[in-house]
Amino acid sequence: ILNVEQSPQSLHVQEGDSTNFTCSFPSSNFYALHWYRWETAKSPEALFVMTLNGDEKKKGRISATLNTKEGYSYLYIKGSQPEDSATYLCAFRGTGTASKLTFGTGTRLQVTL
Amino acid sequence: DAGVIQSPRHEVTEMGQEVTLRCKPISGHDYLFWYRQTMMRGLELLIYFNNNVPIDDSGMPEDRFSAKMPNASFSTLKIQPSEPRDSAVYFCASSSGTGFYNEQFFGPGTRLTVL
Repeated sequence: ILNVEQSPQSLHVQEGDSTNFTCSFPSSNFYALHWYRWETAKSPEALFVMTLNGDEKKKGRISATLNTKEGYSYLYIKGSQPEDSATYLCAFRGTGTASKLTFGTGTRLQVTL
Repeated sequence: DAGVIQSPRHEVTEMGQEVTLRCKPISGHDYLFWYRQTMMRGLELLIYFNNNVPIDDSGMPEDRFSAKMPNASFSTLKIQPSEPRDSAVYFCASSSGTGFYNEQFFGPGTRLTVL
C-alpha cells in the first residue's frame, strides 16, 4: 500500500496571507506527482503535473515544488483570496502503476476576509 | 466537450437494495477510473479500465461491488446488496493515456446514501 500523506489536514488563513502545504510520497519508483484543487460540491480539477526532481510549476498565485529524492512536494499560495478556499489534493503515480493515482487525504484551506 | 458525465448525482436507497451508478467518459479517452470518497479514507481507487477492459480491481471492497464497461462511452458501478457503510461520493474519471502529463478528468460525482 502506497503511503501518500498531506499536512496540515486543514488550514484557516485570512485574505492576503501566504500559505503552503506539504505532500509526502514514496521516494522510490517515482513517475509523476499531481496536484488537484477540489471545491466543495464540485469535482477535483487538475492544477499541476510534476515529473522531474527540482520541478517548479506556477499558475497565477499558486506554485509548487518537487523533491523526488526525499519524497515531498510543496504547494504555495501567495496572497490567499476567499476563492482559494478548497481542498488541495496531491496524487502519486509510480513507475510500476503509471495509470493509477494514489491520492493523499488532502489539505482543506479556508480563506476568510 | 461535455466532460465526464455521471448519473445520478444523488441517490438515496435502503439497505439491501441494488444501486447502479453510471458514467460517460470524455470522448476519445481510453482509460476510465472509479473512485470512492469518504471522510475516513479520502479518495480511493476502486477499479480502472483500459479500452473497456478491467485492468485493476484490487480496490473493489468486496463481492457486492461490480463494474462493467460494455463500450467506450459507458460504464456502470453496481452495488448489490447495498449497506449503510457504502454511503460515500463515487467519482468517475477518464484520461487519454498514461504519459507523464496525462491528467485524469473527474466527473461531478454521485452522492450515495444508504439508509
